[in-house]
Amino acid sequence: EDKVVQSPLSLVVHEGDTVTLNCSYEVTNFRSLLWYKQEKKAPTFLFMLTSSGIEKKSGRLSSILDKKELFSILNITATQTGDSAVYLCAVEAKYSGGGADGLTFGKGTHLIIQP
Amino acid sequence: DVKVTQSSRYLVKRTGEKVFLECVQDMDHENMFWYRQDPGLGLRLIYFSYDVKMKEKGDIPEGYSVSREKKERFSLILESASTNQTSMYLCASTGQGPLLGEKLFFGSGTQLSVL
Repeated sequence: EDKVVQSPLSLVVHEGDTVTLNCSYEVTNFRSLLWYKQEKKAPTFLFMLTSSGIEKKSGRLSSILDKKELFSILNITATQTGDSAVYLCAVEAKYSGGGADGLTFGKGTHLIIQP
Repeated sequence: DVKVTQSSRYLVKRTGEKVFLECVQDMDHENMFWYRQDPGLGLRLIYFSYDVKMKEKGDIPEGYSVSREKKERFSLILESASTNQTSMYLCASTGQGPLLGEKLFFGSGTQLSVL
């Protein structure tokens, strides 16, 4: 059974701190690992990672994948209160039940940035 | 902009009622998904469909059924709602092929309460 484990499940830091969110996975037929940010409504896409060691960056957020050790990290530097959200990690793989690819999500990390 | 529209933002139903959750997408996407999201459990896949009239069970299909009569519409049906089906339900859609996570679009969610 495919598995995606995120840690920590929740995190409270102060504005300006740097945070690192972790995601480890066990899947067969891996295709990609994705990070989403979920505030009040639908998750919004952050990054998609397919290759080991190549950092993806968007402003203060960055992410990297290690396909040998089967994990990814999401870094947020100089955090702001607007970064408060649930961060979801998902792994895309060939779904065991059928012909389409599927996404398996982790439980998410609830990040709270205090002013 | 891709739009995935869920018919209700909040829904309150009684135990034993039949409940329909509707999802419509306007981008001619082949793949559509229904997830439920619960605190501490993350997003869990209920059912998905990769074509009209095609459906596949996800990780937690028990107590649910789905219908995909038209490409743009994917309905989730609770035949006899129970209190343990109180949850946030998220619909998502994407086009064909691998690496779909980057192009996965979510609806705003339906918060269902079963009393």
